Amino acid sequence: AQSVAQPEDQVNVAEGNPLTVKCTYSVSGNPYLFWYVQYPNRGLQFLLKYITGDNLVKGSYGFEAEFNKSQTSFHLKKPSALVSDSALYFCAVIPADKLIFGTGTRLQVFP
Amino acid sequence: EAQVTQNPRYLITVTGKKLTVTCSQNMNHEYMSWYRQDPGLGLRQIYYSMNVEVTDKGDVPEGYKVSRKEKRNFPLILESPSPNQTSLYFCASSTGQTRTDTQYFGPGTRLTVL
Repeated sequence: AQSVAQPEDQVNVAEGNPLTVKCTYSVSGNPYLFWYVQYPNRGLQFLLKYITGDNLVKGSYGFEAEFNKSQTSFHLKKPSALVSDSALYFCAVIPADKLIFGTGTRLQVFP
Repeated sequence: EAQVTQNPRYLITVTGKKLTVTCSQNMNHEYMSWYRQDPGLGLRQIYYSMNVEVTDKGDVPEGYKVSRKEKRNFPLILESPSPNQTSLYFCASSTGQTRTDTQYFGPGTRLTVL
């Protein structure tokens, strides 16, 4: 079955430290991968996506993600976390004609 | 400002009382979709529409109806709501021209069915 997994319900990191939010996928064919962020009481906002080409994708707010085909992963990263990055992050994949979302990872950045 | 709007933002109702959640986008997008968000389950697609008068079921369509009479509007209808439909609902839209399009989400509607 086509799926995407976010193995961590919550990630805690101190402000200024690097952060990683993990995502793995299982799809047949070429995956199209997305990261969305949800701030409190807001809808989801697009961060970045991988379609093809360079495995390192840069997105909004200083985030980037690395596509690793051999490990079927698409981890979200940021070199230096901000308190304002605290939010719920969703990884998603398009195997056919619709987005399949992971269960989400809550990122908490402490001052 | 390009946006997806939903109304109401919050709604508390009782079992069996029909309700409609409206969704409107001002980006001339062809593709629109409804999701529900539940803890531990992420977002699951309810219905989607590729264009006017074209709708199709998503992963969890039971208990819901939609219509797409105009390009900009995509209302979600609960004919007889039940407590298991208590959830956070999101409408989304995209150009729909390719599978890789970015979706734009509304602010969400928190529904409680008593």
